[in-house]
Amino acid sequence: QQPVQSPQAVILREGEDAVINCSSSKALYSVHWYRQKHGEAPVFLMILLKGGEQKGHEKISASFNEKKQQSSLYLTASQLSYSGTYFCGTEHGSSNTGKLIFGQGTTLQVKP
Amino acid sequence: DGGITQSPKYLFRKEGQNVTLSCEQNLNHDAMYWYRQDPGQGLRLIYYSQIVNDFQKGDIAEGYSVSREKKESFPLTVTSAQKNPTAFYLCASGQWANSPLHFGNGTRLTVT
Repeated sequence: QQPVQSPQAVILREGEDAVINCSSSKALYSVHWYRQKHGEAPVFLMILLKGGEQKGHEKISASFNEKKQQSSLYLTASQLSYSGTYFCGTEHGSSNTGKLIFGQGTTLQVKP
Repeated sequence: DGGITQSPKYLFRKEGQNVTLSCEQNLNHDAMYWYRQDPGQGLRLIYYSQIVNDFQKGDIAEGYSVSREKKESFPLTVTSAQKNPTAFYLCASGQWANSPLHFGNGTRLTVT
């Protein structure tokens, strides 16, 4: 039931791009993306809803493929501050509980 | 400033003792959540509450208990029945579904 994220880890140079994927075996109602720096609280990045609506930061982009039950987070022109662990959280079915199941995380390291 | 506060940041207990982790929010959110984070496993849902005096089990509720007597507060008790309680515990709040989760800074519990 836990969504699967890929890759598990990625190392970039500043200015390079990265894509983080999140796949679920169950139908998705919504997908949330969060970034967590070591020892800190996860910080909200984006919500993608069934039907195409998105809520989030302007500098972050993501996609949501309902048929494939997948979401991808696009990090372009990466900065040192992008380093951290990225989690997707998925909500399933039609119930509006806000209950999220999180993936295992993708660790991103951006080097100068 | 509005936010969500977890205390204490670090907690040490002897095996066999119950321990209660505090979580308070002043965001006027209806829903509150407890997650457990272990290395490489992402965030796993312990309990959640959508309204005062009501709460639901998450995926790993065994050995834990909660209460929701006030909208602002959602304490988590780690009981002696929890077989592997050492972990990083995160509390979050949100305004129902389709809205971001706001996380506290976490409590790192060590049981020896």
